[in-house]
Amino acid sequence: DIQLTQSPSFLSASVGDRVTITCRASQGISSHLAWYQQKPGKAPKLLIYAASTLQTGVPSRFSGSGSGTEFTLTISSLQPEDFAIYYCQQLNSYPLTFGGGTRVEI
Amino acid sequence: EVQLVESGGVLVQPGGSLRLSCAASGFTFSDHYIDWVRQAPGKGLEWVGRSRNKANSYTTEYAASVKGRFTISRDDSKNSVYLQMDSLKTEDTAVYFCARNYYDRGVYFSDYWGQGTLVTVSS
Repeated sequence: DIQLTQSPSFLSASVGDRVTITCRASQGISSHLAWYQQKPGKAPKLLIYAASTLQTGVPSRFSGSGSGTEFTLTISSLQPEDFAIYYCQQLNSYPLTFGGGTRVEI
Repeated sequence: EVQLVESGGVLVQPGGSLRLSCAASGFTFSDHYIDWVRQAPGKGLEWVGRSRNKANSYTTEYAASVKGRFTISRDDSKNSVYLQMDSLKTEDTAVYFCARNYYDRGVYFSDYWGQGTLVTVSS
């Protein structure tokens, strides 16, 4: 199985900060990665797919990059509504797997 | 508007069975793969399994943790997908989400999610 390791697992930041979350895969997954945002008591929300494609309706302050084994999610200017947990998911091979999550605290 | 609504989550004893339903609307259900994902209380997301569409013979995939115990099926005439859960264990306690998959740029990804249904396995 492909393991995804997210770092950091927790980060505290201020409004307006640039935030970067890393997701490392235990083996190469090309660009077959998605990023999700989850708020308490809610379903996950798709932010990015194919490593760098912004889902329709997601603010442009979110961006994704990477391929192979290392990926990043960047929030260019953190907003109060960005308080959430962020997960990466590999879509390359079965079983599909998620990273452990990164909690972003404003 | 795309909607997915899960139902069927209850309290069940270890060793018991349960069937979850996911009713979809607002899109051509038969065209899409559907995933089940779960989240244990206070924990991260865990992919449970996938139902492919008719074009791909309704084949399924499962996580190792549920393979042989859980079965995904679908009824395109009812725009619904089901998760049959047998031989339930306490560690299956979780909120179960269904999610529509969309294909673009070489990947299937979950673009719409239901609100989830809570399954509690306890004696």
